Amino acid sequence: DAGVTQSPTHLIKTRGQQVTLRCSPISGHKSVSWYQQVLGQGPQFIFQYYEKEERGRGNFPDRFSARQFPNYSSELNVNALLLGDSALYLCASSLAGAAYEQYFGPGTRLTVT
Amino acid sequence: GIQVEQSPPDLILQEGANSTLRCNFSDSVNNLQWFHQNPWGQLINLFYIPSGTKQNGRLSATTVATERYSLLYISSSQTTDSGVYFCAVFNQAGTALIFGKGTTLSVSS
Repeated sequence: DAGVTQSPTHLIKTRGQQVTLRCSPISGHKSVSWYQQVLGQGPQFIFQYYEKEERGRGNFPDRFSARQFPNYSSELNVNALLLGDSALYLCASSLAGAAYEQYFGPGTRLTVT
Repeated sequence: GIQVEQSPPDLILQEGANSTLRCNFSDSVNNLQWFHQNPWGQLINLFYIPSGTKQNGRLSATTVATERYSLLYISSSQTTDSGVYFCAVFNQAGTALIFGKGTTLSVSS
């Protein structure tokens, strides 16, 4: 079975622009979570979606938003990009919403110049 | 919120050596995962272990939830074990993994 997939793999954007990252969960998984990992740190939780509803939100500004589609795939949007948004963005999927084992995709590396 | 501390921050080993990585957490948790992050950034699941001991080949993990710690054992280390090892615990709501800062392991031949 295919694992979690993310697109694009790499992305270069300019300050002030907007970006959309995409994630497809493992087949049968209904929950998707997003994490940001800056160099030298552990991943930081951004959002969790389960059954198309937001179930958790981390300490990120309103410039960050996400949604989950009926097929359980998800998009993460970041508006008004800042240099500090440069990071590896990781998507994780799990069977259901609470404390189920999470499986991570390969990530999207975003560089903001 | 829950704090996760990992030790040591860095570990350098010769191939064939054994090692123990530790993860302390500040509150009772729903569950705990250990990951290995490879040089390309992929997080690979090692263990999903709320309590007790699990083994997978040369790796094993023990979580003592009542004492708020988990240990990851790596035996007969190989160069391919190099990378960053993360411990992560779920928050009280079970909606988010809270990661430690990781242990960077370097295994030389």
